[in-house]
Amino acid sequence: QQQVKQSPQSLIVQKGGISIINCAYENTAFDYFPWYQQFPGKGPALLIAIRPDVSEKKEGRFTISFNKSAKQFSLHIMDSQPGDSATYFCAAHRGYQKVTFGTGTKLQVIP
Amino acid sequence: DAGVIQSPRHEVTEMGQEVTLRCKPISGHDYLFWYRQTMMRGLELLIYFNNNVPIDDSGMPEDRFSAKMPNASFSTLKIQPSEPRDSAVYFCASSFLLAEPTDTQYFGPGTRLTVL
Repeated sequence: QQQVKQSPQSLIVQKGGISIINCAYENTAFDYFPWYQQFPGKGPALLIAIRPDVSEKKEGRFTISFNKSAKQFSLHIMDSQPGDSATYFCAAHRGYQKVTFGTGTKLQVIP
Repeated sequence: DAGVIQSPRHEVTEMGQEVTLRCKPISGHDYLFWYRQTMMRGLELLIYFNNNVPIDDSGMPEDRFSAKMPNASFSTLKIQPSEPRDSAVYFCASSFLLAEPTDTQYFGPGTRLTVL
């Protein structure tokens, strides 16, 4: 019930391409869905987050698409750059309750 | 603010030894979280505190693990005795109340633990 399933496990995209990472959740009580970005040797850091009452949120080249009926959400990185190469985690939580993380996607953007 | 501070950054120890990891949260944050990250299991929440009180320790793998938060600015995660399967990166994170999507946990740089 608390799981967040993330795919793919790894992703290679050419510079300028679109990176897409997908997540699915089971617990309909979740009401906050953040994405974290982690560079090697660093802790995860918040990238972008969304509530389930909107279907899309965009910040620069990063967009979250949210499908409440399917219990799925995804991260799209437009015009992917080598500097975007990192591990991305989707997550979900309900208000102040503990955050459940996906298993992570290692993104490599090649020139 | 210096962010969440963890020490040591790297720890190599032998099986059976006691290991103590330390964390200083961001000043003013009232939640503190300990996570473990491995390739196999990803990012796992071990325990979290609110106002220095442990709220949920259901992620602590076994009795060899213990965590304390004696005051608002310091927490420890202790493993005694340590085993090779405890090798992982341990993160500490802190936050205010997670009431909004933009409220977030701020992670420290992690402690890479290797148990030989």
